[in-house]
Amino acid sequence: GDSVTQMEGPVTLSEEAFLTINCTYTATGYPSLFWYVQYPGEGLQLLLKATKADDKGSNKGFEATYRKETTSFHLEKGSVQVSDSAVYFCALRYSSASKIIFGSGTRLSIRP
Amino acid sequence: DSGVTQTPKHLITATGQRVTLRCSPRSGDLSVYWYQQSLDQGLQFLIQYYNGEERAKGNILERFSAQQFPDLHSELNLSSLELGDSALYFCASSKDRGGEKLFFGSGTQLSVL
Repeated sequence: GDSVTQMEGPVTLSEEAFLTINCTYTATGYPSLFWYVQYPGEGLQLLLKATKADDKGSNKGFEATYRKETTSFHLEKGSVQVSDSAVYFCALRYSSASKIIFGSGTRLSIRP
Repeated sequence: DSGVTQTPKHLITATGQRVTLRCSPRSGDLSVYWYQQSLDQGLQFLIQYYNGEERAKGNILERFSAQQFPDLHSELNLSSLELGDSALYFCASSKDRGGEKLFFGSGTQLSVL
């Protein structure tokens, strides 16, 4: 079945470091891909999305490119801040379906 | 603030009991989704309602049920609770059936002792 696999956390970085959180997916069709972020004590928020191959989603300095050939949607940021500390979820969804399938989440901690 | 309200924030109960979790979606949103977040299972889709009708079902146990009322708020009922039901239960809402962008509440932490 369809699934999303993320790198295990926690990931700990120093402020201004470069961030990559890996995400790969298994899908029978061509889903839309998402990154959601969950700040402490809050619900998930949509961070960015890409709806087709080679699309790049971007928001708040984060980027991810939909790579069909490698079935990946890695999240990157050039210079992280303490305020980026959160749990990040990669997800997929087909346009014909309601269900969003989430990965297990990657906890990110940024040291000042 | 996502605009999605969930109550209560925390719930502590005993095995075998029944609880009701409540969700008020964002103003104007017709779809409500329920998710369960646990350490071992991650974030699991339970069920979706659209404008009062069940639209999609995920990994929802038979002991669990949900409904969406005419004012669009939703309730998730969990009965015959087991220790393994302890989790964070999220409600999310979206304007349309398809759920292109979900807005999540801050969740209800359920502890079954």
